[in-house]
Amino acid sequence: AQKITQTQPGMFVQEKEAVTLDCTYDTSDQSYGLFWYKQPSSGEMIFLIYQGSYDEQNATEGRYSLNFQKARKSANLVISASQLGDSAMYFCAMREGRANSGYALNFGKGTSLLVTP
Amino acid sequence: GAVVSQHPSRVICKSGTSVKIECRSLDFQATTMFWYRQFPKQSLMLMATSNEGSKATYEQGVEKDKFLINHASLTLSTLTVTSAHPEDSSFYICSARGDQQGPYGYTFGSGTRLTVV
Repeated sequence: AQKITQTQPGMFVQEKEAVTLDCTYDTSDQSYGLFWYKQPSSGEMIFLIYQGSYDEQNATEGRYSLNFQKARKSANLVISASQLGDSAMYFCAMREGRANSGYALNFGKGTSLLVTP
Repeated sequence: GAVVSQHPSRVICKSGTSVKIECRSLDFQATTMFWYRQFPKQSLMLMATSNEGSKATYEQGVEKDKFLINHASLTLSTLTVTSAHPEDSSFYICSARGDQQGPYGYTFGSGTRLTVV
């Protein structure tokens, strides 16, 4: 069963506008972590933001914020003031279990974001 | 920050030959290494997890005799694709975790694009 669901294969946003990339997850663990990565065409995985399941406040990192709604099991990424360089694939991922559990990340299918001038 | 060096970045090999991909953690001890495979415009699929000094644990459907993983030291893990065929052409990327890293400490290599001709 898919543990991470990203329902938007592709998204467009105009430069300087904000965009929300959706992510829902499925787990029975109480302790887990949620991640967002950016993957440009070069293929590298760039870590953007992390939210732990026990974190009460939504994570923020510069222009990135994570809208964490635990009851709805959603962890949407909000990018504010989009820039042309934000055009890339974006992956939502989850680590089940405790932080030092050594478990791998499960990735969603990704959302391709295109920022237009 | 933590860095994982992955080589080669691109490789073209003939069908039937073997290819070795290396991932080195440059400034931390990688107790756990994860190997992923990514087809074009698709998600990262976990192939195997290896802990230093132990045999790798392969995901269902991944042929362990074809994809040999060695994690003999805390700074080096290798993936060898044996008797490569065109269907093995893909993007391979490693991700390392160390005991000293925080909950979001999954450091990715830059990936290897393998083309089998």
